Amino acid sequence: DIQMTQSPSTLSASVGDRVTITCRASQSISSWLAWYQQKPGKAPKLLIYKASSLESGVPSRFSGSGSGTEFTLTISSLQPDDFATYYCQQYNSYSLTWTFGQGTKVEIK
Amino acid sequence: QLQLQESGPGLVKPSETLSLTCTVSGGSISSSSYYWGWIRQPPGKGLEWIGSIYYSGSTYYNPSLKSRVTISVDTSKNQFSLKLSSVTAADTAVYYCARLHPSMVRGATIDYWGQGTLVTVSS
Repeated sequence: DIQMTQSPSTLSASVGDRVTITCRASQSISSWLAWYQQKPGKAPKLLIYKASSLESGVPSRFSGSGSGTEFTLTISSLQPDDFATYYCQQYNSYSLTWTFGQGTKVEIK
Repeated sequence: QLQLQESGPGLVKPSETLSLTCTVSGGSISSSSYYWGWIRQPPGKGLEWIGSIYYSGSTYYNPSLKSRVTISVDTSKNQFSLKLSSVTAADTAVYYCARLHPSMVRGATIDYWGQGTLVTVSS
């Protein structure tokens, strides 16, 4: 099985900060990587698909990059609405299985 | 607009079987482009994919849960269901049903989610 390692697990930042979250796969997953934002009591919301494509309606301060085994989610200027938990998700196109990273909680510094 | 709604008991006794149903509205569960799946989240913890089903009935399960999970689909009712046997307190979680969309154009995304339902395992 492909394992996803997400870091850091918690991140303290201030409004206006540039924030970067990393997700590493135990083997190459090409660009089968998505990022989600989750707020307490809510279902996750899709932010980035295919590693670097911005979902419609998502602010442009969010961006994704990477391929193969290392991926990043960047928030260029953190806004109050961005304090949440972020998850990466990979898809194994051979076994048709899905795996999430452990999550990164972005907290107010 | 597609909507998914989970239903089922919120309390299950240890060693019994957890059963949930997801009703899909605003779209057909028989679409060839999508899979339908279950994802859970223990209180204060991360997301875990449980398994997926295609409208034809093909199923794919998380290896760590495979021996206890059964997912089925009823296309006539536009529903799919989850059964998790021999539950323990560790299975206490919010259970989400979702639409899973693997594609060469958009990669693999989970683009629609139910609101989630908390299932507590306790005697």
